[in-house]
Amino acid sequence: DAKTTQPPSMDCAEGRAANLPCNHSTISGNEYVYWYRQIHSQGPQYIIHGLKNNETNEMASLIITEDRKSSTLILPHATLRDTAVYYCIVRATSGTYKYIFGTGTRLKVLA
Amino acid sequence: EAGVAQSPRYKIIEKRQSVAFWCNPISGHATLYWYQQILGQGPKLLIQFQNNGVVDDSQLPKDRFSAERLKGVDSTLKIQPAKLEDSAVYLCASSLREGNSPLHFGNGTRLTVT
Repeated sequence: DAKTTQPPSMDCAEGRAANLPCNHSTISGNEYVYWYRQIHSQGPQYIIHGLKNNETNEMASLIITEDRKSSTLILPHATLRDTAVYYCIVRATSGTYKYIFGTGTRLKVLA
Repeated sequence: EAGVAQSPRYKIIEKRQSVAFWCNPISGHATLYWYQQILGQGPKLLIQFQNNGVVDDSQLPKDRFSAERLKGVDSTLKIQPAKLEDSAVYLCASSLREGNSPLHFGNGTRLTVT
């Protein structure tokens, strides 16, 4: 089973920041938080990952709480092309390190 | 770099027939995964290869599904015989190595079993 909980859907106005929450209250010390998104009829696309520090790349920012029990993916200026299902995954990098997907958050960016 | 290639893009078969899917990972990627994605659900891992060896196939229905990765590069996933509940998108992904390397997915094969 997935170790994360995400809201099933969210709306965001075009040009505004989209903040997608993820709860991972049982995360272990060696588990990273990964975010992927899946646009209709395509395979999932990697966005960003982090362990405990906040991370930023050209696509998004990842904010992880100090206790690491939750995180937020931020798309700073959402566009219509960001409409997709967003998956939050926790994954260890040693031992059994499966990527287990949940049902994700369906983000709809509104014009 | 070229992405993960999968074929065919779509396949329609009748139940009890057999079908095979092909995947060519990104060059140099040692780890290869097959996922099944049923409509409305997240992808479910079927099998994971490290080079040409199986790392995890605990979720693969071995009575009807088989997969191989000869020479540690291309991979095929076969279903024989197919059931109606096998209708799904079959996604192939690869990563550079184990550890924290992200997955790179192909666009999948959409299978419809009638």
